[in-house]
Amino acid sequence: DAKTTQPPSMDCAEGRAANLPCNHSTISGNEYVYWYRQIHSQGPQYIIHGLKNNETNEMASLIITEDRKSSTLILPHATLRDTAVYYCIVPDNYGQNFVFGPGTRLSVLP
Amino acid sequence: DTAVSQTPKYLVTQMGNDKSIKCEQNLGHDTMYWYKQDSKKFLKIMFSYNNKELIINETVPNRFSPKSPDKAHLNLHINSLELGDSAVYFCASRRGDLGRNTEAFFGQGTRLTVV
Repeated sequence: DAKTTQPPSMDCAEGRAANLPCNHSTISGNEYVYWYRQIHSQGPQYIIHGLKNNETNEMASLIITEDRKSSTLILPHATLRDTAVYYCIVPDNYGQNFVFGPGTRLSVLP
Repeated sequence: DTAVSQTPKYLVTQMGNDKSIKCEQNLGHDTMYWYKQDSKKFLKIMFSYNNKELIINETVPNRFSPKSPDKAHLNLHINSLELGDSAVYFCASRRGDLGRNTEAFFGQGTRLTVV
């Protein structure tokens, strides 16, 4: 079973920031948080990952709380092409296996 | 260049047949995976394969067998196909020697339809 919980769905207006939350209250000290997304039935696409510091790349920002029990993925200026299912993952089996939960279905609205 | 490639992209076959799906990665990774995504859209890990160590999800029927001719390939062979095997199958790879701090890359999937 996935070790994370996410809201099943969210809406966001085009051009606004999309903030996707994730709870991972049982995360241990050396486990990373990864975010992926899946557009239609394409292969899951890696977005970002982090351990305890906030991270930013060309796609998104990842904010991890100080106690590491939750995180937020931020898409700063959502576009229609960002409509997808977003998965927050804490890999299993000593970080080997990426176990997907139901994720959050983000709909970016015009 | 596609990092993780699967063939075929679509596969339609009859019940009872045996089929294989091929996966190749050109990233030099040493860990590869197979995932199944059913009609309810849940992505479930089937196998992980690292340096010839195979870790099997215990819910996977033994009709499914991964075969790795070399580190860059992990093929999925399925015997006696059943209607319930219809799904999209994704291959993935990851560099395992860096511990937890490496992402997995996924192929674009093979849509298997059993009729």
